[in-house]
Amino acid sequence: NAGVTQTPKFRILKIGQSMTLQCTQDMNHNYMYWYRQDPGMGLKLIYYSVGAGITDKGEVPNGYNVSRSTTEDFPLRLELAAPSQTSVYFCASGVLGSGANVLTFGAGSRLTVL
Amino acid sequence: AQTVTQSQPEMSVQEAETVTLSCTYDTSESNYYLFWYKQPPSRQMILVIRQEAYKQQNATENRFSVNFQKAAKSFSLKISDSQLGDTAMYFCAFIWGGSEKLVFGKGTKLTVNP
Repeated sequence: NAGVTQTPKFRILKIGQSMTLQCTQDMNHNYMYWYRQDPGMGLKLIYYSVGAGITDKGEVPNGYNVSRSTTEDFPLRLELAAPSQTSVYFCASGVLGSGANVLTFGAGSRLTVL
Repeated sequence: AQTVTQSQPEMSVQEAETVTLSCTYDTSESNYYLFWYKQPPSRQMILVIRQEAYKQQNATENRFSVNFQKAAKSFSLKISDSQLGDTAMYFCAFIWGGSEKLVFGKGTKLTVNP
């Protein structure tokens, strides 16, 4: 049981480049999330999804896009990378509702934009 | 708005001693869940303990226990017999029934000294 798998673990981008962070979970969770964590800070929600075909913005969605074509996958796309997007990105999945409400996190992807 | 506040940015404790991390939250909801997540230097987010608001009994997991004061909206984490491996960032998190998103505090950096 792999849990939540994120790739790549590290990436360096030049300003203006684009890339996709991949996230896959094998727990059949409906809910999936993308967070970013800046140095010394907490987690800020970028986008989330409550099921295949449904996505919604979090508190810091600008500069990012997501899609959810399957239950398992929730990729995060960065368009026109900017230095402000230098961060560690975490994907998480979970089952919400009584008796659950626990998120399982991936190992994180460290992105540097130069 | 639902908020989570961790008032201690950094704390330190000697190995084998006990330490308490503070967390307060603000909500008008009656059905909610509280969590403590640990983030060691490896960056992996690990669930430490969870508490359902409707339960009066404080949750415990081995050396980790909480002091849940519902009226005061306080949810502190006590770590007994601290170990070097407890060195990490600790995040308090909150979700209310029917919500789709966890709200995280900014974290407390705990250092366990030998």
